[in-house]
Amino acid sequence: DARVTQTPRHKVTEMGQEVTMRCQPILGHNTVFWYRQTMMQGLELLAYFRNRAPLDDSGMPKDRFSAEMPDATLATLKIQPSEPRDSAVYFCASGSGTGGASKSKNIQYFGAGTRLSVL
Amino acid sequence: LAKTTQPISMDSYEGQEVNITCSHNNIATNDYITWYQQFPSQGPRFIIQGYKTKVTNEVASLFIPADRKSSTLSLPRVSLSDTAVYYCPDDQGDMRFGAGTRLTVKP
Repeated sequence: DARVTQTPRHKVTEMGQEVTMRCQPILGHNTVFWYRQTMMQGLELLAYFRNRAPLDDSGMPKDRFSAEMPDATLATLKIQPSEPRDSAVYFCASGSGTGGASKSKNIQYFGAGTRLSVL
Repeated sequence: LAKTTQPISMDSYEGQEVNITCSHNNIATNDYITWYQQFPSQGPRFIIQGYKTKVTNEVASLFIPADRKSSTLSLPRVSLSDTAVYYCPDDQGDMRFGAGTRLTVKP
């Protein structure tokens, strides 16, 4: 049963520390999304990639957040330095969307999330 | 950016049919309409997708009128385990989920 794997599942850190979250997309999927979910803001899109190229990271605070795909099997989301307001659940999702003029059937498959607490 | 609109919350009772409607005022010609379900402490999961008319699977039915400006997710005979948040994200090149509809099923 193919699934998106996120690590770690939980992370507690202190303000100012670097946090790295990892995501292994479903094999063969060419799109990867990073979301942040809080009670106040709901599910927010932070960034997404297609074929490992970043297509949109407008939802991400650029001064402290960075997202990369070193290879097709790994996506990372890094926060440096972390702040208490970054406390949230971070979800990764992957899909096989084609993008461009044919955006049909862009079904996303979500990981279980990383619950981050910044003290 | 285009955005879908759906009710913030709904309540129902076990055994009832629940219909959640979403507006897609700026849907593009080649966009599909997709619904997701999220339980507490889990990521959203795909439940149904359609382009027009009616689609049915083992979980739900999806009704899409001819103008495709809205869609209705229909959950037949809900149970307590259907309590979740339901999303109809906007597929404008990416998927913007918004707050979703929080469905609470009561005994």
